Amino acid sequence: DIQMTQSPSSLSASVGDRVTITCRASQGISNYLAWYQHKPGKIPQLLIYAASTLQSGVPSRFSGSGSGTDFTLTISSLQPEDVATYYCQKYNSAPYTFGQGTKLEIK
Amino acid sequence: QVQLQQSGPGLVKPSQTLSLTCAISGDSVSSNSAAWNWIRQSPSRGLEWLGRTYYRSKWYNDYAVSVKSRITINPDTSKNQFSLQLNSVTPEDTAVYYCARVIAGKDALDFWGQGTVVTVSS
Repeated sequence: DIQMTQSPSSLSASVGDRVTITCRASQGISNYLAWYQHKPGKIPQLLIYAASTLQSGVPSRFSGSGSGTDFTLTISSLQPEDVATYYCQKYNSAPYTFGQGTKLEIK
Repeated sequence: QVQLQQSGPGLVKPSQTLSLTCAISGDSVSSNSAAWNWIRQSPSRGLEWLGRTYYRSKWYNDYAVSVKSRITINPDTSKNQFSLQLNSVTPEDTAVYYCARVIAGKDALDFWGQGTVVTVSS
Protein backbone atom coordinates (compact mmCIF):
# COMPACT_ATOMS: atom_id res chain seq x y z
CA ASP A 1 0.00 0.00 0.00
CA ILE A 2 1.04 3.59 -0.61
CA GLN A 3 2.18 5.45 2.50
CA MET A 4 1.62 9.16 3.04
CA THR A 5 4.20 11.09 5.10
CA GLN A 6 3.62 14.64 6.26
CA SER A 7 6.15 17.10 7.59
CA PRO A 8 6.50 18.68 9.99
CA SER A 9 4.37 16.81 12.54
CA SER A 10 3.87 20.05 14.43
CA LEU A 11 4.41 23.69 13.63
CA SER A 12 4.23 26.97 15.52
CA ALA A 13 3.97 30.23 13.58
CA SER A 14 2.91 33.84 14.09
CA VAL A 15 -0.23 35.51 12.81
CA GLY A 16 0.46 36.76 9.29
CA ASP A 17 3.20 34.22 8.59
CA ARG A 18 3.32 32.14 5.45
CA VAL A 19 3.01 28.47 6.44
CA THR A 20 3.88 25.45 4.32
CA ILE A 21 3.08 21.80 5.06
CA THR A 22 4.41 19.02 2.89
CA CYS A 23 3.04 15.59 2.08
CA ARG A 24 4.99 12.85 0.33
CA ALA A 25 3.54 9.69 -1.21
CA SER A 26 5.63 6.52 -1.31
CA GLN A 27 4.55 6.03 -4.93
CA GLY A 28 3.18 8.37 -7.56
CA ILE A 29 -0.49 9.29 -7.18
CA SER A 30 -0.79 11.87 -10.00
CA ASN A 31 -2.91 14.69 -8.50
CA TYR A 32 -5.26 12.46 -6.48
CA LEU A 33 -4.59 14.27 -3.24
CA ALA A 34 -6.83 16.14 -0.80
CA TRP A 35 -6.11 18.32 2.24
CA TYR A 36 -8.35 18.50 5.31
CA GLN A 37 -8.49 20.80 8.32
CA HIS A 38 -9.56 19.29 11.63
CA LYS A 39 -10.24 21.53 14.60
CA PRO A 40 -10.69 19.95 18.06
CA GLY A 41 -14.29 18.92 18.66
CA LYS A 42 -15.29 19.75 15.08
CA ILE A 43 -15.91 17.80 11.89
CA PRO A 44 -12.94 17.55 9.50
CA GLN A 45 -13.33 19.96 6.59
CA LEU A 46 -12.19 19.50 3.02
CA LEU A 47 -9.88 22.33 2.00
CA ILE A 48 -8.37 21.24 -1.30
CA TYR A 49 -8.90 18.38 -3.74
CA ALA A 50 -7.15 17.33 -6.93
CA ALA A 51 -3.98 18.66 -5.25
CA SER A 52 -4.73 22.31 -6.03
CA THR A 53 -8.50 22.90 -6.37
CA LEU A 54 -9.95 24.99 -3.56
CA GLN A 55 -13.17 23.62 -2.07
CA SER A 56 -16.09 26.04 -2.24
CA GLY A 57 -16.19 28.39 0.74
CA VAL A 58 -12.56 27.89 1.76
CA PRO A 59 -10.60 31.15 2.18
CA SER A 60 -8.25 31.99 -0.66
CA ARG A 61 -5.26 32.15 1.69
CA PHE A 62 -5.20 28.36 1.43
CA SER A 63 -3.56 26.85 -1.64
CA GLY A 64 -2.20 23.49 -2.72
CA SER A 65 0.34 22.34 -5.24
CA GLY A 66 2.21 19.28 -6.41
CA SER A 67 1.82 16.15 -8.45
CA GLY A 68 3.22 12.64 -8.44
CA THR A 69 4.79 12.11 -5.01
CA ASP A 70 5.36 15.58 -3.53
CA PHE A 71 2.64 17.98 -2.44
CA THR A 72 2.35 21.16 -0.40
CA LEU A 73 -0.38 23.01 1.45
CA THR A 74 0.31 26.71 1.90
CA ILE A 75 -1.42 29.26 4.09
CA SER A 76 -0.36 32.64 2.73
CA SER A 77 -1.12 34.66 5.88
CA LEU A 78 -1.82 32.66 9.02
CA GLN A 79 -4.94 33.64 10.96
CA PRO A 80 -5.87 32.68 14.55
CA GLU A 81 -8.78 30.56 13.30
CA ASP A 82 -6.36 28.39 11.30
CA VAL A 83 -5.22 26.58 14.46
CA ALA A 84 -5.98 22.95 13.65
CA THR A 85 -4.47 19.67 12.57
CA TYR A 86 -4.05 19.33 8.82
CA TYR A 87 -4.14 16.01 6.98
CA CYS A 88 -3.37 14.99 3.44
CA GLN A 89 -5.16 12.02 1.88
CA LYS A 90 -4.51 10.12 -1.29
CA TYR A 91 -7.43 8.82 -3.33
CA ASN A 92 -6.06 7.42 -6.56
CA SER A 93 -7.16 3.96 -5.42
CA ALA A 94 -8.27 2.21 -2.24
CA PRO A 95 -7.14 2.25 0.53
CA TYR A 96 -7.56 6.02 0.84
CA THR A 97 -4.70 6.58 3.27
CA PHE A 98 -4.27 9.75 5.32
CA GLY A 99 -0.99 11.30 6.34
CA GLN A 100 -0.25 11.33 10.07
CA GLY A 101 -1.26 14.95 10.45
CA THR A 102 0.44 18.30 11.11
CA LYS A 103 -0.61 20.19 14.23
CA LEU A 104 -0.51 23.93 13.63
CA GLU A 105 -0.36 26.37 16.54
CA ILE A 106 -0.02 30.12 16.92
CA LYS A 107 3.24 31.37 18.38
CA GLN B 1 -27.54 20.14 0.84
CA VAL B 2 -26.27 16.72 1.83
CA GLN B 3 -26.63 15.78 5.49
CA LEU B 4 -25.31 12.69 7.22
CA GLN B 5 -26.77 11.72 10.60
CA GLN B 6 -24.93 9.10 12.62
CA SER B 7 -26.41 6.88 15.30
CA GLY B 8 -25.20 4.03 17.46
CA PRO B 9 -23.90 3.20 20.94
CA GLY B 10 -21.01 5.06 22.47
CA LEU B 11 -19.81 2.19 24.64
CA VAL B 12 -18.89 -1.30 23.43
CA LYS B 13 -17.39 -4.13 25.47
CA PRO B 14 -14.14 -5.78 24.36
CA SER B 15 -14.61 -8.70 21.95
CA GLN B 16 -18.08 -7.48 20.98
CA THR B 17 -19.26 -5.81 17.75
CA LEU B 18 -19.29 -2.06 17.15
CA SER B 19 -22.32 -1.06 15.06
CA LEU B 20 -23.00 2.42 13.68
CA THR B 21 -25.47 3.76 11.12
CA CYS B 22 -25.29 6.80 8.87
CA ALA B 23 -28.59 8.16 7.53
CA ILE B 24 -28.36 10.16 4.31
CA SER B 25 -30.47 13.14 3.26
CA GLY B 26 -29.99 15.19 0.11
CA ASP B 27 -28.42 12.28 -1.80
CA SER B 28 -28.95 8.55 -2.34
CA VAL B 29 -26.94 5.61 -1.05
CA SER B 30 -27.62 4.04 -4.49
CA SER B 31 -26.20 7.00 -6.41
CA ASN B 32 -23.97 6.01 -9.32
CA SER B 33 -21.70 8.96 -8.63
CA ALA B 34 -21.16 8.76 -4.85
CA ALA B 35 -19.32 6.52 -2.42
CA TRP B 36 -20.09 6.20 1.27
CA ASN B 37 -17.20 5.98 3.70
CA TRP B 38 -16.33 5.36 7.33
CA ILE B 39 -13.34 7.07 8.94
CA ARG B 40 -12.15 7.17 12.54
CA GLN B 41 -9.94 9.54 14.50
CA SER B 42 -7.91 8.88 17.61
CA PRO B 43 -5.08 10.80 19.28
CA SER B 44 -2.63 7.98 18.60
CA ARG B 45 -3.49 7.33 14.93
CA GLY B 46 -4.97 10.59 13.64
CA LEU B 47 -7.51 10.14 10.82
CA GLU B 48 -7.83 6.57 9.57
CA TRP B 49 -9.92 5.62 6.54
CA LEU B 50 -11.76 2.35 7.29
CA GLY B 51 -13.70 1.55 4.15
CA ARG B 52 -16.49 2.39 1.73
CA THR B 53 -19.50 1.07 -0.12
CA TYR B 54 -20.73 2.28 -3.49
CA TYR B 55 -23.09 1.34 -6.32
CA ARG B 56 -22.04 1.14 -9.96
CA SER B 57 -24.68 -1.17 -11.45
CA LYS B 58 -23.87 -3.46 -8.54
CA TRP B 59 -22.57 -2.97 -5.01
CA TYR B 60 -18.85 -2.75 -4.22
CA ASN B 61 -16.84 -2.47 -1.01
CA ASP B 62 -13.26 -1.54 -0.20
CA TYR B 63 -11.68 -1.88 3.23
CA ALA B 64 -8.49 -0.79 4.95
CA VAL B 65 -5.96 -3.58 5.41
CA SER B 66 -5.74 -2.86 9.14
CA VAL B 67 -9.41 -3.84 9.72
CA LYS B 68 -10.21 -5.96 6.68
CA SER B 69 -10.78 -9.18 8.62
CA ARG B 70 -13.21 -7.52 11.05
CA ILE B 71 -15.19 -4.91 9.11
CA THR B 72 -18.43 -4.90 7.14
CA ILE B 73 -20.02 -1.85 5.51
CA ASN B 74 -23.54 -2.39 4.19
CA PRO B 75 -25.99 -0.16 2.34
CA ASP B 76 -29.67 -0.08 3.28
CA THR B 77 -31.56 1.23 0.28
CA SER B 78 -34.97 1.04 2.00
CA LYS B 79 -33.83 3.59 4.61
CA ASN B 80 -31.26 5.44 2.48
CA GLN B 81 -28.47 4.77 4.93
CA PHE B 82 -25.35 2.68 5.37
CA SER B 83 -23.82 0.93 8.33
CA LEU B 84 -20.50 -0.02 9.88
CA GLN B 85 -19.89 -3.23 11.78
CA LEU B 86 -16.52 -3.84 13.39
CA ASN B 87 -16.14 -7.21 15.09
CA SER B 88 -13.95 -8.36 17.97
CA VAL B 89 -13.19 -4.85 19.17
CA THR B 90 -10.38 -4.02 21.58
CA PRO B 91 -9.53 -0.80 23.44
CA GLU B 92 -7.41 0.11 20.38
CA ASP B 93 -10.69 0.65 18.51
CA THR B 94 -11.66 3.49 20.85
CA ALA B 95 -12.04 6.54 18.59
CA VAL B 96 -14.38 9.10 17.10
CA TYR B 97 -16.08 7.47 14.12
CA TYR B 98 -17.28 9.50 11.14
CA CYS B 99 -19.26 8.69 8.03
CA ALA B 100 -18.57 10.75 4.92
CA ARG B 101 -19.45 11.07 1.25
CA VAL B 102 -17.24 11.09 -1.82
CA ILE B 103 -18.75 12.46 -5.02
CA ALA B 104 -17.43 11.71 -8.49
CA GLY B 105 -15.56 14.59 -10.03
CA LYS B 106 -14.26 15.76 -6.68
CA ASP B 107 -13.38 12.32 -5.29
CA ALA B 108 -12.57 13.65 -1.81
CA LEU B 109 -14.61 13.48 1.39
CA ASP B 110 -16.84 16.53 1.01
CA PHE B 111 -19.68 15.92 3.51
CA TRP B 112 -19.19 14.37 6.94
CA GLY B 113 -21.42 13.08 9.69
CA GLN B 114 -21.31 14.67 13.11
CA GLY B 115 -19.04 11.98 14.57
CA THR B 116 -19.70 9.36 17.24
CA VAL B 117 -17.39 8.85 20.19
CA VAL B 118 -17.02 5.10 20.70
CA THR B 119 -15.26 3.77 23.78
CA VAL B 120 -14.29 0.11 24.04
CA SER B 121 -14.29 -0.81 27.71
CA SER B 122 -15.71 -3.40 30.05
